[in-house]
Amino acid sequence: QQQVKQSPQSLIVQKGGIPIINCAYENTAFDYFPWYQQFPGKGPALLIAIRPDVSEKKEGRFTISFNKSAKQFSLHIMDSQPGDSATYFCAARHGSSNTGKLIFGQGTTLQVKP
Amino acid sequence: EAGVAQSPRYKIIEKRQSVAFWCNPISGHATLYWYQQILGQGPKLLIQFQNNGVVDDSQLPKDRFSAERLKGVDSTLKIQPAKLEDSAVYLCASSPRLLVTDTQYFGPGTRLTVL
Repeated sequence: QQQVKQSPQSLIVQKGGIPIINCAYENTAFDYFPWYQQFPGKGPALLIAIRPDVSEKKEGRFTISFNKSAKQFSLHIMDSQPGDSATYFCAARHGSSNTGKLIFGQGTTLQVKP
Repeated sequence: EAGVAQSPRYKIIEKRQSVAFWCNPISGHATLYWYQQILGQGPKLLIQFQNNGVVDDSQLPKDRFSAERLKGVDSTLKIQPAKLEDSAVYLCASSPRLLVTDTQYFGPGTRLTVL
């Protein structure tokens, strides 16, 4: 119930392609869904986040689609660039818990070829 | 604004030895987190502090791991004795408060190798 399942494990696209990373959860108490980007040797950095009261959120080339009934959400990267090559983690946070603990997915390693 | 600082960046020890990691959060951030990131996995929360009090340590292996945040600012995480399976990157993060939507800002991590 506390897991967030992420797929695929790795992804290779050509420059300009639209990689899509999917996540699924079981716990309906999760109330906040961020995506983090991590480059080698660096800590994760927040990319974009969504709450379940909206179905889509866009920030620049990054879009989150959220399907509350299916308990799934996904990250789309428009016009992907080689600089987007990194590991991406979805996460979920318990809205009613006073700890605000983030539960991370397993990660997706994205390679964007020039 | 300076980010989350961690040291050392790398540490190699033999099993059964002890090791300590240090974290200095972003100035003014009340909440501090320690995560363990095993190669190929997402970060897993070990312990969370609000100021100098522990909020959640449910996933901290308390027989060998300890952490403190004296004076509610910087923090240390200790492992004694280390096991092979403790090889991982230890990430420190901080956030302004405990709100669900507060962004967690991560440091670069300390890569621990236990031989």
